[in-house]
Amino acid sequence: GAVVSQHPSWVICKSGTSVKIECRSLDFQATTMFWYRQFPKQSLMLMATSNEGSKATYEQGVEKDKFLINHASLTLSTLTVTSAHPEDSSFYICSARDRKWDPYNEQFFGPGTRLTVL
Amino acid sequence: EDQVTQSPEALRLQEGESSSLNCSYTVSGLRGLFWYRQDPGKGPEFLFTLYSAGEEKEKERLKATLTKKESFLHITAPKPEDSATYLCAVQDWAGNNRKLIWGLGTSLAVNP
Repeated sequence: GAVVSQHPSWVICKSGTSVKIECRSLDFQATTMFWYRQFPKQSLMLMATSNEGSKATYEQGVEKDKFLINHASLTLSTLTVTSAHPEDSSFYICSARDRKWDPYNEQFFGPGTRLTVL
Repeated sequence: EDQVTQSPEALRLQEGESSSLNCSYTVSGLRGLFWYRQDPGKGPEFLFTLYSAGEEKEKERLKATLTKKESFLHITAPKPEDSATYLCAVQDWAGNNRKLIWGLGTSLAVNP
């Protein structure tokens, strides 16, 4: 149980294009999902908290117009990197919490998406 | 300010050599402490949640314990497949209680 999937697992795009990453909870419903960014040999950096049916909450320093988050259902959240540039290249990971125990329970993580912007 | 410090930064063990990883935390009120394992190029894998001082949880060769100031992840007779980065995170009662505060992790290498 508690499986989270991400798609795609890796993507290479040209500078200036937009990229959408999907995060799905496969066997539970998630009112809250999280999007993280991780640089090599560094810990997780929270970008935003995605709430089903409402606007995402972005962390300080994260551009909401650049990183668009949509949490349209209890099992799907998407992150769109708009007008991507090489500095956006990173490992993006989503996580989700089971709504039955939200908000005081563990997060389950997806496998991550490696974004490379040329 | 909430803070999580993990030590050591890196640890190299021989197969079968037991050891412990430390996670020290400072929060207004601990709601939960979480341990994860992360392999290179993958998302973190959930291991344990601890809620109160004195609590212990075990899974195979791993045992997590919690005090009012720190948590330990004990690894008994480790195998090479236990090599990974172990991450600790805490959730606070106060403030934005949906967020986790993360440590920087301990990179564990177990040699055969």
